[in-house]
Amino acid sequence: DVKVTQSSRYLVKRTGEKVFLECVQDMDHENMFWYRQDPGLGLRLIYFSYDVKMKEKGDIPEGYSVSREKKERFSLILESASTNQTSMYLCASTDRTGNSNQPQHFGDGTRLSIL
Amino acid sequence: AQSVSQHNHHVILSEAASLELGCNYSYGGTVNLFWYVQYPGQHLQLLLKYFSGDPLVKGIKGFEAEFIKSKFSFNLRKPSVQWSDTAEYFCAVNTGSGNTGKLIFGQGTTLQVKP
Repeated sequence: DVKVTQSSRYLVKRTGEKVFLECVQDMDHENMFWYRQDPGLGLRLIYFSYDVKMKEKGDIPEGYSVSREKKERFSLILESASTNQTSMYLCASTDRTGNSNQPQHFGDGTRLSIL
Repeated sequence: AQSVSQHNHHVILSEAASLELGCNYSYGGTVNLFWYVQYPGQHLQLLLKYFSGDPLVKGIKGFEAEFIKSKFSFNLRKPSVQWSDTAEYFCAVNTGSGNTGKLIFGQGTTLQVKP
């Protein structure tokens, strides 16, 4: 069974801090994703990566960056945290083989509060 | 831009009632369609998916969905809901371009089932 592990379930940080959210998957998936989930807005894609050291902006990349140095690990970085980045962050991964009908597998999420 | 719309934001049903959650997408080409569910405190998990063939697809826990291409819809149904179906439901679309597995999510529908 696919396991996507996010390093923290809850995190509290201060405005202006640099924040790292870590995600690890154990299924050798090529594609990995970072979303934020907000009530009434669903999931919005921040960044995704389709290979080591490769990344592409999603719909809301402003204020975020990512790092993918190893295939199994995808990190989301808040360069200078702001209160409007308080949210639930979800990591996901998917296999790249075949067509684009492969489902994404999600982690448990990190609820981040910026004070 | 491609988008996914879920018209019901909050649905309250009694046990044994029938359920239908609407999902419409805006894209004229080939699509792969998904419904995900997020039970309280748990990660998102796949309910069902459609990518070709029979437009009526069956998923886990008695859920089914029908793809109607002419209406750009992929509505989720269950004949008789249970209290354990209380969760948030997300419709998602992959336009099939490339193999990045990138999904566009709807806003989500919160289902509350009263015992």
